Amino acid sequence: GENVEQHPSTLSVQEGDSAVIKCTYSDSASNYFPWYKQELGKRPQLIIDIRSNVGEKKDQRIAVTLNKTAKHFSLHITETQPEDSAVYFCAASRDQGAQKLVFGQGTRLTINP
Amino acid sequence: DAGVIQSPRHEVTEMGQEVTLRCKPISGHDYLFWYRQTMMRGLELLIYFNNNVPIDDSGMPEDRFSAKMPNASFSTLKIQPSEPRDSAVYFCASRKPGPTGTEAFFGQGTRLTVV
Repeated sequence: GENVEQHPSTLSVQEGDSAVIKCTYSDSASNYFPWYKQELGKRPQLIIDIRSNVGEKKDQRIAVTLNKTAKHFSLHITETQPEDSAVYFCAASRDQGAQKLVFGQGTRLTINP
Repeated sequence: DAGVIQSPRHEVTEMGQEVTLRCKPISGHDYLFWYRQTMMRGLELLIYFNNNVPIDDSGMPEDRFSAKMPNASFSTLKIQPSEPRDSAVYFCASRKPGPTGTEAFFGQGTRLTVV
């Protein structure tokens, strides 16, 4: 079955700097890769996703890149702000057939003012 | 739609007692997932359903855990008997099938404490 590894487990950056979180997956049939943000005491919520027919996707200060050959994908946050502090989860899934959604271990991102 | 609804929000129970967690998915979402979140293990997938049928329960930790989905609008996760190590936040999530409906929406979670 699918296995998703996420690094680092914790990340601390200065406000205004960039943050990068990396994930690898094992199932070559996976073709949908979402990223979720979870603020303290709240539910995970989708912030951006990418499909395997696209190598990069941007939404304002966040971007995701995908290397399907190497089976890894990354989240990039630029110009970080205090409200970016949260736990971020990557995930992988197929979008047809067995659509199991498996998450990485999570990255606790802290933005220092 | 009110989103994915879970109940109760908090549950404190004594070791050995039966615990039942409930979930109402978003209408029209054919997939339902149960996750357990702990600091050590992150978001673990316990089981998921497609059209009310359990597809993969390989994440269910032991026979003490069971899940059902009697209809498209209701699912339960039961722990019997409960143990202190079951203490965690349990999330239910639902999603539409297929390439155009892949975002999973989470409920608010149930924080379970077993003493």
